[in-house]
Amino acid sequence: SQTIHQWPATLVQPVGSPLSLECTVEGTSNPNLYWYRQAAGRGLQLLFYSVGIGQISSEVPQNLSASRPQDRQFILSSKKLLLSDSGFYLCAWSNRGINGYTFGSGTRLTVV
Amino acid sequence: AQKVTQAQTEISVVEKEDVTLDCVYETRDTTYYLFWYKQPPSGELVFLIRRNSFDEQNEISGRYSWNFQKSTSSFNFTITASQVVDSAVYFCALSDGNDMRFGAGTRLTVKP
Repeated sequence: SQTIHQWPATLVQPVGSPLSLECTVEGTSNPNLYWYRQAAGRGLQLLFYSVGIGQISSEVPQNLSASRPQDRQFILSSKKLLLSDSGFYLCAWSNRGINGYTFGSGTRLTVV
Repeated sequence: AQKVTQAQTEISVVEKEDVTLDCVYETRDTTYYLFWYKQPPSGELVFLIRRNSFDEQNEISGRYSWNFQKSTSSFNFTITASQVVDSAVYFCALSDGNDMRFGAGTRLTVKP
């Protein structure tokens, strides 16, 4: 069966520090991978999606970047965090979106 | 462009009441997929249902039912005899098979 792992679960980082959130998927190959952000009390905002290794599409220009170094690994990064980067980050995978997305358990990031 | 509108930001009901969560979507695609997700306080998004654009049959699963009407571009979700455990944020989503767009979510509070 397919599983998705996302870590860490919570993170508190100072403004200006770097960020690296990792997401891995098991039990499938060539999945579509996604990073979403949910600000407190708000909906889901698509940040990045990837349809293959090294292929990244950015939805919203911002202080973040994503990389897909391996087929089932998706990394969200920042060189210098801003206060506005605080939020709940969710990784997801899909089989081309037809069967819906399976989400990771999320990372709650607080930038202080 | 794809768009999902969940006009109800928050709904509060008393246990055992029925409640309907509205979802209206916009798309130019003839083939698309509609979803509902539940986000309990833990934060993880839980898949509830998927519907493709060619299947307008309504579906019932226990206390949950979904009414898909292409004529009005709506995919409403009804919880019958609500329970406290139904308290969560519910997201409606639309996919063209590649990426998914979420509505802003409806926060449902079921009071004992």
